[in-house]
Amino acid sequence: GDSVTQMEGPVTLSEEAFLTINCTYTATGYPSLFWYVQYPGEGLQLLLKATKADDKGSNKGFEATYRKETTSFHLEKGSVQVSDSAVYFCALLNYGGSQGNLIFGKGTKLSVKP
Amino acid sequence: NAGVTQTPKFQVLKTGQSMTLQCAQDMNHEYMSWYRQDPGMGLRLIHYSVGAGITDQGEVPNGYNVSRSTTEDFPLRLLSAAPSQTSVYFCASTGAGGTYNEQFFGPGTRLTVL
Repeated sequence: GDSVTQMEGPVTLSEEAFLTINCTYTATGYPSLFWYVQYPGEGLQLLLKATKADDKGSNKGFEATYRKETTSFHLEKGSVQVSDSAVYFCALLNYGGSQGNLIFGKGTKLSVKP
Repeated sequence: NAGVTQTPKFQVLKTGQSMTLQCAQDMNHEYMSWYRQDPGMGLRLIHYSVGAGITDQGEVPNGYNVSRSTTEDFPLRLLSAAPSQTSVYFCASTGAGGTYNEQFFGPGTRLTVL
């Protein structure tokens, strides 16, 4: 079945450091890919998305490119801030394989120190 | 638009008690889902519905019941609560059509079973 694998955390960075969180997926067909963010004590918010190969999703300085050849959707940010401290989830949505429901990775906790 | 709403925000139950977690959306979405979030496990799908009157099981359905009598509401019932059901529960809804479909999440219900 469909699955998502993302790097395990926690990840601890200093402010203004470069961030990469790796995400790879297994799916039939052509899934849409997402990054969700969960701030402490809150629900999930969509951070960015990409719906087809080579699409780049971007939001709040974060970027991720849908790479079908490597089945990857790595999250990057050039300069993190303390306010980026949160848990980040990679997910895919594949109507063919998962009936319109998101398949999540296990999440990566990011802590940014001043 | 209120989006996806969930009640209650917090709940403490004793083993064997029953309760219903409420979820409602005002976006006229066809798809609705329930997930549970446990540390180190990411989000796992409990049950989902592709429309009023239609429900199906997800990855971890045991101990939970759902029904979908209207498009707006998708309650989750715990028939006889167990400590293993201590978790944070998220309801989500997804619109149909278009090239992709974003899932919108409620704020979550934090459940503790003693």
